[in-house]
Amino acid sequence: GAVVSQHPSRVICKSGTSVKIECRSLDFQATTMFWYRQFPKQSLMLMATSNEGSKATYEQGVEKDKFLINHASLTLSTLTVTSAHPEDSSFYICSARVGDDFYGYTFGSGTRLTVV
Amino acid sequence: GESVGLHLPTLSVQEGDNSIINCAYSNSASDYFIWYKQESGKGPQFIIDIRSNMDKRQGQRVTVLLNKTVKHLSLQIAATQPGDSAVYFCAEINTGKLIFGQGTTLQVKP
Repeated sequence: GAVVSQHPSRVICKSGTSVKIECRSLDFQATTMFWYRQFPKQSLMLMATSNEGSKATYEQGVEKDKFLINHASLTLSTLTVTSAHPEDSSFYICSARVGDDFYGYTFGSGTRLTVV
Repeated sequence: GESVGLHLPTLSVQEGDNSIINCAYSNSASDYFIWYKQESGKGPQFIIDIRSNMDKRQGQRVTVLLNKTVKHLSLQIAATQPGDSAVYFCAEINTGKLIFGQGTTLQVKP
């Protein structure tokens, strides 16, 4: 089946530094990927939609200059949290739409970001 | 619908009993719904889906019911097992985006 690999699974960084999270589709091409953020004991909140070869579309309230998304190939999307602060500590999860299946989504295993 | 800042409710059931997890969705135009299971520290795992032209769909030990009149989804798990303990989310697809509902923590007591 379609597999999405997300890396790293855990990262701790100092306040003010930037962190990059990678999301790769291993056995399929993903023209569209999605980035979610999840705080403890809460639901997944969609941050942005990442489209290969074009600019990402951000949800309302998400700072695009802080959360940089790059989708340069059909198998890789990256999320960079710039100038991270403790309030950015969260669980970040990517998802990819599988091929032309408008209704098929598969998820990465998530990245636990802790900013100290 | 989206849960902003809301903590997850908890459903506690005895092993072997049936579980019913409920979800209200927000957009009447949504045409596809999915239930996901999420274990601690992991990404969501697909359980079952249903399209808006259906009101019931059954899988192995799971059944999803859709009531479009009141914008309500439910997930029924038969003979609940300890391995079913997790957080369960409903999600709706609207304009190509997968939007998650509030979620429920299911605790299975042995």
